[in-house]
Amino acid sequence: NAGVTQTPKFRVLKTGQSMTLLCAQDMNHEYMYWYRQDPGMGLRLIHYSVGEGTTAKGEVPDGYNVSRLKKQNFLLGLESAAPSQTSVYFCASRIRGGAWGTDTQYFGPGTRLTVL
Amino acid sequence: RKEVEQDPGPFNVPEGATVAFNCTYSNSASQSFFWYRQDCRKEPKLLMSVYSSGNEDGRFTAQLNRASQYISLLIRDSKLSDSATYLCVVANTGGFKTIFGAGTRLFVKA
Repeated sequence: NAGVTQTPKFRVLKTGQSMTLLCAQDMNHEYMYWYRQDPGMGLRLIHYSVGEGTTAKGEVPDGYNVSRLKKQNFLLGLESAAPSQTSVYFCASRIRGGAWGTDTQYFGPGTRLTVL
Repeated sequence: RKEVEQDPGPFNVPEGATVAFNCTYSNSASQSFFWYRQDCRKEPKLLMSVYSSGNEDGRFTAQLNRASQYISLLIRDSKLSDSATYLCVVANTGGFKTIFGAGTRLFVKA
């Protein structure tokens, strides 16, 4: 199993450009998440999904859109990139429910995005 | 006030030392608690879940105090390989929404 994979690993954008980050998991997990991590801020939840075809806003959703058309994939879109979106983006997934101690999130390796 | 707060550190300790981290959370309805470890420029990985009665995994001990709304992590006999950032994580009822602390940085020196 590959676990959680993210594409691309690195990207540099100019202000105003758009892009899509892809997250894929092969663990048949229902829940998927997108976070951003900035120095001193920890991970902040952007959007999440509790199942195929459903998405919800997290703590910092502005400027981002998401889609979950297939259970295994969760896409994060930036329609018009801004320098404030320079960050490391992590995708994660977990099973729904699960016994105590098994409800952990599994993370992808991250995407390092720079917006100039 | 942040929902999950941690002392950012850094904690600089010698090998073999015992070190403790605390984390406080503001939402009394929180149900699940975890400690994650994050190495530099890597993704977070689960270190251990935190059970109500407290739990131990080798050199690591986690405690939960619901009344005071804090979680602790104790590392005994620190190793160089323990150097990392430790993230406190709190999840709501249902567990699908989680809040991460900003992390506590640990450096273990020879």
